[in-house]
Amino acid sequence: RKEVEQDPGPFNVPEGATVAFNCTYSNSASQSFFWYRQDCRKEPKLLMSVYSSGNEDGRFTAQLNRASQYISLLIRDSKLSDSATYLCVVKRAYNNNDMRFGAGTRLTVKP
Amino acid sequence: DAGITQSPRYKITETGRQVTLMCHQTWSHSYMFWYRQDLGHGLRLIYYSAAADITDKGEVPDGYVVSRSKTENFPLTLESATRSQTSVYFCASRKGLLAGGQNTGELFFGEGSRLTVL
Repeated sequence: RKEVEQDPGPFNVPEGATVAFNCTYSNSASQSFFWYRQDCRKEPKLLMSVYSSGNEDGRFTAQLNRASQYISLLIRDSKLSDSATYLCVVKRAYNNNDMRFGAGTRLTVKP
Repeated sequence: DAGITQSPRYKITETGRQVTLMCHQTWSHSYMFWYRQDLGHGLRLIYYSAAADITDKGEVPDGYVVSRSKTENFPLTLESATRSQTSVYFCASRKGLLAGGQNTGELFFGEGSRLTVL
């Protein structure tokens, strides 16, 4: 079983839709959580960190459920430019350099 | 502001050959990383370095060698390439730790090097 699991999608949604992705992680000692965005054939870039109390950045909301070991990303009012692959990233405890990436969820926003 | 650059961007080689992928960053970040990305897998950490002359194995280090004689460079060498090493390789760097030992989690990636081993 992979340490970080994501539904690969693809998620195909119309502009303006709300879409949510989930990610589960298996290591209960995981310490920090992030969402990265990766455009087709490009490098990943940090989208947002995920805090225990949940956090919002514009149209993006991230939530963490430690008891169930999953994190989520909600995108409201989807734009064409949101089309990308969203990577769930989990940092292991005790090693600031050991970050485990999910395989990603692909989102396509259509006109 | 070049940031972090990788070369070559594309490489085709044959089984058994030695290949070196270069990574150069201009930010003076302490930490540098090499990941590989394969379909169906997330990025997997090969090696990382906390500073010049300090390197550590990641999740999938077998078949790879790294060095870090200068802070800004972190080359990755495949000593004898195998077909299973066909992949997209990403170099990344990050700043040092924040006060309290926290990692911001922000990695800055290069554009990737696509390697095909025939």
